[in-house]
Amino acid sequence: DQQVKQNSPSLSVQEGRISILNCDYTNSMFDYFLWYKKYPAEGPTFLISISSIKDKNEDGRFTVFLNKSAKHLSLHIVPSQPGDSAVYFCAAFTGTASKLTFGTGTRLQVTL
Amino acid sequence: GAGVSQSPSNKVTEKGKDVELRCDPISGHTALYWYRQSLGQGLEFLIYFQGNSAPDKSGLPSDRFSAERTGGSVSTLTIQRTQQEDSAVYLCASSSTSGRNTQYFGPGTRLTVL
Repeated sequence: DQQVKQNSPSLSVQEGRISILNCDYTNSMFDYFLWYKKYPAEGPTFLISISSIKDKNEDGRFTVFLNKSAKHLSLHIVPSQPGDSAVYFCAAFTGTASKLTFGTGTRLQVTL
Repeated sequence: GAGVSQSPSNKVTEKGKDVELRCDPISGHTALYWYRQSLGQGLEFLIYFQGNSAPDKSGLPSDRFSAERTGGSVSTLTIQRTQQEDSAVYLCASSSTSGRNTQYFGPGTRLTVL
């Protein structure tokens, strides 16, 4: 039962353009969401998060949008850079639980 | 560096053998987590330690899996009688406290069971 879904396994975007990575969830108890970025042979690194009481959080080139009614969040990267090429994981916390539930990841490739 | 470290980075074993995977969390972090990533899958929660509290073992897939955390620091994940489906990257993370605190991940141990 995949509670956090990233339906696009891969995405290719030209340098300088916007990258939009999507994530859907089914558990309405999720109330805090995170995006992690992972390079090959390295562990995931935290990128940006959003609480369910907000619908947008911005940090530099990265913005996360949350649509609670649609149980959907997205990560926007603008402008995209070659160094952004990595696998991006969406993750969620439930209530007081400390464990994260992860999606399957989207591989982003930023081309020159 | 002062990040999370894991050893070994790669482990190849034969089906039926036992393996031990080690995690050294960031110094001072009280919470420690184990996840695994199988091919084509997301990260799957296995077990969570917080201070001296009883660990949350709800993600362990079978009784062949166990983990301990000694002295509130280093953790060892043990898989007994390994099976081919245990092949995955095993990731350890730590955070300063539990709850919605950023989890910092180690590079992982890639386990291959032949």
